[in-house]
Amino acid sequence: AQKITQTQPGMFVQEKEAVTLDCTYDTSDPSYGLFWYKQPSSGEMIFLIYQGSYDQQNATEGRYSLNFQKARKSANLVISASQLGDSAMYFCALPTSGTYKYIFGTGTRLKVLA
Amino acid sequence: DAGVIQSPRHEVTEMGQEVTLRCKPISGHDYLFWYRQTMMRGLELLIYFNNNVPIDDSGMPEDRFSAKMPNASFSTLKIQPSEPRDSAVYFCASSFDYNEQFFGPGTRLTVL
Repeated sequence: AQKITQTQPGMFVQEKEAVTLDCTYDTSDPSYGLFWYKQPSSGEMIFLIYQGSYDQQNATEGRYSLNFQKARKSANLVISASQLGDSAMYFCALPTSGTYKYIFGTGTRLKVLA
Repeated sequence: DAGVIQSPRHEVTEMGQEVTLRCKPISGHDYLFWYRQTMMRGLELLIYFNNNVPIDDSGMPEDRFSAKMPNASFSTLKIQPSEPRDSAVYFCASSFDYNEQFFGPGTRLTVL
């Protein structure tokens, strides 16, 4: 069965520094995708970045990038040059096999310090 | 283009009352999802539709919950009768095919 794990309940980072949020997963699917979402204190879920298992390169979107290590089954989110507005909960998600259902991790709460 | 629209944003009701949450997906999206988020259980998928047809409702907690999608631009999630343990934030999300899901702002439900 699919499983997704975020082991860091909370993280702190100094403004302008980079931070890595961990996400490991388990799936038996030969082809899959991983999604990252941000949930600020206002509550909405904001899509950040997607990584396909067969993508040749790690995904990047502005200051967000994925450190995708397929053999280790990890898809860590890297935020470069952290900003105060990056303070939020971050979730990774994995669609379950053969469906459009996401399994979400438990999230990591990031606090950016001025 | 407007994002996913949910109403109401906040709902406070008393135990035993009927609650109806509404969602308008992004135009052109063919998948619609209802999620519930609580501190204890995190983000859970309740049900999802494809082209207005319910595909998987295995996450619906019990018969008190029902969801409909009468057309491509509208869906409802109904709880009847509501109970205090139903208090949560309910999200609606939509997507086009296997792409990323776009979430609405959520409805914060409090059942007293």
